[in-house]
Amino acid sequence: NAGVTQTPKFQVLKTGQSMTLQCAQDMNHNSMYWYRQDPGMGLRLIYYSASEGTTDKGEVPNGYNVSRLNKREFSLRLESAAPSQTSVYFCASSSSDSGANVLTFGAGSRLTVL
Amino acid sequence: AQSVTQLDSHVSVSEGTPVLLRCNYSSSYSPSLFWYVQHPNKGLQLLLKYTSAATLVKGINGFEAEFKKSETSFHLTKPSAHMSDAAEYFCVVKKDGGFKTIFGAGTRLFVKA
Repeated sequence: NAGVTQTPKFQVLKTGQSMTLQCAQDMNHNSMYWYRQDPGMGLRLIYYSASEGTTDKGEVPNGYNVSRLNKREFSLRLESAAPSQTSVYFCASSSSDSGANVLTFGAGSRLTVL
Repeated sequence: AQSVTQLDSHVSVSEGTPVLLRCNYSSSYSPSLFWYVQHPNKGLQLLLKYTSAATLVKGINGFEAEFKKSETSFHLTKPSAHMSDAAEYFCVVKKDGGFKTIFGAGTRLFVKA
């Protein structure tokens, strides 16, 4: 029972390079999320997907795109990486987006953009 | 508009002494409130949640939190700290429906032997 799996765990990019962070969950959850974590700022929502086939912008979507490939998988793409995107990225899922539902997080992906 | 303020960026306690991590929230409706814990280089894990049932909520590892509407607070407590409690703790408020989840900035708990 893996929960939420993110890959890669670490990545170093040069400014202007592109990359995709992969996320998969095996809990049959409907909703999936991408957050970034920066020191002193908690977690901020980049994009979310309430259900398969839908995606919505969060607080900080600029510079990112997402794809909800199927119910299990939700990827985050950086088309042209910038140093400001250096961060730790977390994927999360929940059974729905109702208030009481708990988020289950992956272990995180640490991205450095030089 | 919703907001969450964790009043201390760092808290240091001695092993065996009580823990208090403070959280104030702002919300124009009855929110759901959560505490999550993050150990170094790990993802976040739920400690406890409040969803308008009992105001005193018990979580894992001996933690509990009390919802006080009059004070708009949801402070996290534990009677006796253990070394394994050293981690970062996040207070979270969520509106029912939609993606509007607001994380506090986090409180790092240090536990001294």
